[in-house]
Amino acid sequence: GENVEQHPSTLSVQEGDSAVIKCTYSDSASNYFPWYKQELGKGPQLIIDIRSNVGEKKDQRIAVTLNKTAKHFSLHITETQPEDSAVYFCAAIQTGANNLFFGTGTRLTVIP
Amino acid sequence: GAVVSQHPSRVICKSGTSVKIECRSLDFQATTMFWYRQFPKQSLMLMATSNEGSKATYEQGVEKDKFLINHASLTLSTLTVTSAHPEDSSFYICSASRAQETQYFGPGTRLLVL
Repeated sequence: GENVEQHPSTLSVQEGDSAVIKCTYSDSASNYFPWYKQELGKGPQLIIDIRSNVGEKKDQRIAVTLNKTAKHFSLHITETQPEDSAVYFCAAIQTGANNLFFGTGTRLTVIP
Repeated sequence: GAVVSQHPSRVICKSGTSVKIECRSLDFQATTMFWYRQFPKQSLMLMATSNEGSKATYEQGVEKDKFLINHASLTLSTLTVTSAHPEDSSFYICSASRAQETQYFGPGTRLLVL
């Protein structure tokens, strides 16, 4: 089955700096990679996703890159703000399958 | 769009009682709904997958007689924790998906069993 690894587990950055979270996956059949943001006491919120036919996707301050050959994908947050502080989860899934395989999460702290 | 609600947001119950948690997709029809459990500072653990009108598929190690799942319509799924015990205390989160693989999560339900 699929195995998703996520690094780092914790990340602290100064407000305004960039944050990068990296994930690797094992199953080459996985072709959809969402990223979720989870604030304390709340459910995960989808913030961006990417499919395997695309190498990069951007939405304002958030971008995701995918390297299919190396089986890794990354989340990039630029100009970080205190409200970006949360736990971020990457995930991988194959089209047609039900199971989302989650990474272990990254706790991001943006220091004002 | 793609809003999922859960009710209640938190519940405290006595050991031995049953608790029902509702998950609703508010603005779309969900072909599949999922139930997760999350322990503090950990990732989400999939408990079961349910399609409307059919029996839920449980993950290995999840007791189907203890965690009853009903998916009566395309917008509603319920999870009933039967004869709850303190070790069942956790954060339960549902998600819903349409035809494609994107899952939209509810806000979660915090269960505390005394």
